[in-house]
Amino acid sequence: QSVLTQPPSASGTPGQRVTISCSGSSSNIGSRIVNWYQQLPGTAPKLLIYTNNQRPSGVPDRFSGSKSGTSASLAISGLQSGDEADYYCAAWDDSLDAWVFGGGTKLTVL
Amino acid sequence: QVQLVQSGAEVKKPGASVKVSCKASGYTFTDYYIHWVRQAPGQGLEWMGRNNPDSGGTKYAQKFQGRVTMTRDTSISSAYMELSSLRSDDTAVYYCARGPPSTGELIDWGQGSLVTVSS
Repeated sequence: QSVLTQPPSASGTPGQRVTISCSGSSSNIGSRIVNWYQQLPGTAPKLLIYTNNQRPSGVPDRFSGSKSGTSASLAISGLQSGDEADYYCAAWDDSLDAWVFGGGTKLTVL
Repeated sequence: QVQLVQSGAEVKKPGASVKVSCKASGYTFTDYYIHWVRQAPGQGLEWMGRNNPDSGGTKYAQKFQGRVTMTRDTSISSAYMELSSLRSDDTAVYYCARGPPSTGELIDWGQGSLVTVSS
């Protein structure tokens, strides 16, 4: 049972826009920044979004992040087959004094 | 370019200890924390703790307190994670990752080290 809640799966067709939600509480998302990671099959995770909505250099602007209250979202527009991956949200939790991750969302491009 | 290169796969018996290394290059080692994250087969990511290479200070997730030790050797820009009293459910890929002290996002990751615990 993860501290941050994500849907286990999401899907879309090429070119479509999809969103992945991440729900937390006042001790994590509600008071802290959210980061998102992308994990392509068989590889290490990669930082996708940091500080709620910032993209590291090299990440296409098709990827965007937002946060409101105790929830955050990752949006992917212009979906491509190469976007098939697991996506994880993460935030610091003040009660646990630790970084916590969502359970991950497996994105399928149909 | 920044690289975090981890040690190879290990097979350990229950009750044993394992020490995974992470050699950093391409940046000033003491400017970024080294975090350790693990991923059990088919499961999600789990933060274990982090080491401050500058001071040697550590912070561990409560779940691993008493069983994990994170250290570093600044002379060779390497970080280490030792996990003791291994159980079968410690079988996982262990990743090191670097992150800034201020905000904590995990900017770069190692390739992962598979630790298998089996009798």
